[in-house]
Amino acid sequence: DAGITQSPRYKITETGRQVTLMCHQTWSHSYMFWYRQDLGHGLRLIYYSAAADITDKGEVPDGYVVSRSKTENFPLTLESATRSQTSVYFCASRRGLVQYFGAGTRLSVL
Amino acid sequence: AQKITQTQPGMFVQEKEAVTLDCTYDTSDPSYGLFWYKQPSSGEMIFLIYQGSYDQQNATEGRYSLNFQKARKSANLVISASQLGDSAMYFCAMRGAREAGGTSYGKLTFGQGTILTVHP
Repeated sequence: DAGITQSPRYKITETGRQVTLMCHQTWSHSYMFWYRQDLGHGLRLIYYSAAADITDKGEVPDGYVVSRSKTENFPLTLESATRSQTSVYFCASRRGLVQYFGAGTRLSVL
Repeated sequence: AQKITQTQPGMFVQEKEAVTLDCTYDTSDPSYGLFWYKQPSSGEMIFLIYQGSYDQQNATEGRYSLNFQKARKSANLVISASQLGDSAMYFCAMRGAREAGGTSYGKLTFGQGTILTVHP
């Protein structure tokens, strides 16, 4: 039972570079989510998806792009990374009422 | 807009004692759900317990129980018989309101978290 996997686990990049964080789930859950975790803010929703090709903005979408061509994958792209995007990023999928999270990606933008 | 408030940045408890982590919420939606997640130092988010707004009884899962007081808009997590492995960050979260058309995507709004330290 692989569940939900995120890659890479750690990433260091420079300002202005494009970065893609990967999220893959083996459950075929319809709903998937991206959150970022910052000190003092808990987790905040970036984007979510109800199914393949259906995505929508969350609370903090600026500077991010998502796609969902297949149900199992939900990549998050930072088109031009900024230092304020240094954070821990969590992908989640929903089964019934509960969201299950990946292990997270720790991203540092220098 | 929905809001979750966790007023305890840190809590300490003695091993084998019970501890209550506070959570208050604000929403105008009559149908909502409340969750607690645990985040140990390794970083993963672990689902602990869920309470629906229409549930008549408080939710329980092993040593975890949710003290749901709807009129006070509180959903406190009670951990009985604390163990050293309970030391972690704990987040309270609320399921989002239904979107136009009745769809509920289940988006979560999180509190800022409470760090629990269990002393031997």
